[in-house]
Amino acid sequence: AQSVTQLDSQVPVFEEAPVELRCNYSSSVSVYLFWYVQYPNQGLQLLLKYLSGSTLVKGINGFEAEFNKSQTSFHVRKPSVHISDTAEYFCAVALGGSYIPTFGRGTSLIVHP
Amino acid sequence: DGGITQSPKYLFRKEGQNVTLSCEQNLNHDAMYWYRQDPGQGLRLIYYSQIVNDFQKGDIAEGYSVSREKKESFPLTVTSAQKNPTAFYLCASSIGGFAEAFFGQGTRLTVV
Repeated sequence: AQSVTQLDSQVPVFEEAPVELRCNYSSSVSVYLFWYVQYPNQGLQLLLKYLSGSTLVKGINGFEAEFNKSQTSFHVRKPSVHISDTAEYFCAVALGGSYIPTFGRGTSLIVHP
Repeated sequence: DGGITQSPKYLFRKEGQNVTLSCEQNLNHDAMYWYRQDPGQGLRLIYYSQIVNDFQKGDIAEGYSVSREKKESFPLTVTSAQKNPTAFYLCASSIGGFAEAFFGQGTRLTVV
C-alpha cells in the first residue's frame, strides 16, 4: 500500500523568504510523485511532477522539487515566496500499475508581508 | 477550452435526502475520480473509473454511488446513508497511466 506524509500542517513565512514544504512517501515499488496547489474554494492544479529521469524537477510559479529515493522524500522549495503563494499544497503519489493517486493531508503555506 | 466542470458550486440539502453532484469533462480522458475534502484530512478517494461502464470503490465509498455511462460524465450521488455528507467534493480526470489529474472547481455540499 502507498501512503503520503506531509510533515507540516502549516508553514508561516515572510514574503521574499525561502520555503520548503516536506513530503515523505512509503512504497516499495516505483512511484510517480506530484505536488498540487489549491487556492481557497477552488480545485487543485498541478505544481510539478516526477515521473522518471532527473531527480530535480521544476514547476510553475518558481517552485522546484527533488526526488530522493533513499529517503523516500519529495520536498518542494521556492527561494523567494510572494504573498500570492499563500495556498494549500498537496503532495500525491501514484504507484505503477493502478496509478490511483493518494494524497497527503496538505500543508497550508501562509506568506506574511 | 478543455476542462472539467462541476456543478453546482454550492449545494444545500436537508438531512435524509439523496443528492447528485455533476462532473463533466471534455478532455477525452479515460479515468475519472471523486474525492472528498475535509479540513485537515486532505483528499480521500470515494470512487474512481478507468473506463466507461466500469468503476471501483475508493477508501470511503460507503454512502455514495456513481455511474459512468458516458466517457465525459461521472456523476456522484450522496445518499441518505452517508453519515456526514457535509464536505467539499472534488472531481478529477486523467488520461490514465501515470499522468497527472486535472481537477474541477469543486462542489461544496452542506446538509442541514
